[in-house]
This record gives sequence, structure tokens and C-alpha cells, in this order.
Amino acid sequence: GAGVSQSPSNKVTEKGKDVELRCDPISGHTALYWYRQSLGQGLEFLIYFQGNSAPDKSGLPSDRFSAERTGGSVSTLTIQRTQQEDSAVYLCASSLESGTRFYGYTFGSGTRLTVV
Amino acid sequence: GQQLNQSPQSMFIQEGEDVSMNCTSSSIFNTWLWYKQEPGEGPVLLIALYKAGELTSNGRLTAQFGITRKDSFLNISASIPSDVGIYFCAGQGRGSTLGRLYFGRGTQLTVWP
Repeated sequence: GAGVSQSPSNKVTEKGKDVELRCDPISGHTALYWYRQSLGQGLEFLIYFQGNSAPDKSGLPSDRFSAERTGGSVSTLTIQRTQQEDSAVYLCASSLESGTRFYGYTFGSGTRLTVV
Repeated sequence: GQQLNQSPQSMFIQEGEDVSMNCTSSSIFNTWLWYKQEPGEGPVLLIALYKAGELTSNGRLTAQFGITRKDSFLNISASIPSDVGIYFCAGQGRGSTLGRLYFGRGTQLTVWP
């Protein structure tokens, strides 16, 4: 597609339930990132996929968080047993990475997750 | 992780005024980028900087990559109401995972007509 697409745009869930957030990156972009943005805070790195390499999961805050990227394209971020502190905007971004220059990310509009 | 300090945290200015915000890092970066985020949207790339000392303009926006490679600033001249939003600096560090960015906490800009 023309841009990075995220769904759903808003999600309200009860504490303890599992949620899945979806990201469709720009076609041809080899790298995909998940970030979390809490109210008034900057962007917190969660996980990074690049091609067929093992993902960089160093930003995942707990083992309740996991992500996968199927076929080098669509990614799903799963949060199990959601807690109220998981409430945030979850942003996905993709980029076309080359060995010579980094062109920055293109972000999706995010999924606003509210845990009640 | 690599820390970015962005200031000011917020700015309230009158239309037509110039704006300046900056970002400093404890580590050297290879690339500095500036993003703008409007309500309900993801951040959008404004300017990318690749070399120490580089000064780049995009319309009324000007950004510089500091000589020490540890800082960058963004200037907005003659602000207009549509400049309202949150501005983020971001850096790609030396030796870090290719493409991974570290972000400042953002500068919330409000422009009064």
C-alpha cells in the first residue's frame, strides 16, 4: 500500500484479556518496527524486524508482549493478560534499509489501546 | 540505552514568531532526524541529517547536525497555526542495530493566531 496501515485504530479491552495489533508495512520495506507512546512521553522502542534476521526484541517490557512478522510483510503485536499500564498508542513503522544510507521511518497512525 | 535530551518540553508562541528547539545526546550519532506528530497521527519525517556540521532546510524549517555529532537543533521561521504539533528529534547511533532510532521526549508547540 501507499502507507503503513495499522488496525484497529482504537481498542478498548478489559484487564486480563489478550489483544492483537496488526501492522501492514509499505510494500518492499525490509524493516519493521514497533514503538509505544504513552501520554506525554516519547517513543519507546519495542521490537525490530529486518528481513530474515532474528528480530531485536530487546525493548519488549515483559514476556506478556510478543510479535511476529509473517512472510516478511504483515506484523502482529500480541499483548497477553493486559494490564492498565499497557494503555498507550502503539505505533508501527517501516523503512527501506540499505547499506549506504538510512532514510528514516514511515509511521502508521497507531493503535490507541485502552485497558479498563 | 542511548538517551536523548530534547528541549524545551513545550512552547507557546504567537503566529509569525521564530521557534528553536534542540536535542543533545550522551552518545555520538550517525544520523539525526526530526519528526512532527499531529493529533491522532504517527510522526512524519521533516528533515534528515547525515553529516556533522550539515545544515539542511525544508521550507521554513532549518536543522543542523552538530559538529560533535551529539546534538542537533531545529528552527522554524515565521510560525503559522498549522505548525502546531509535537516535534521529535531522533538519532541513529554508531554501532547500534542498523535503522534503530532513539527518540527525544518531544517539544509540544502551540501557536496562537
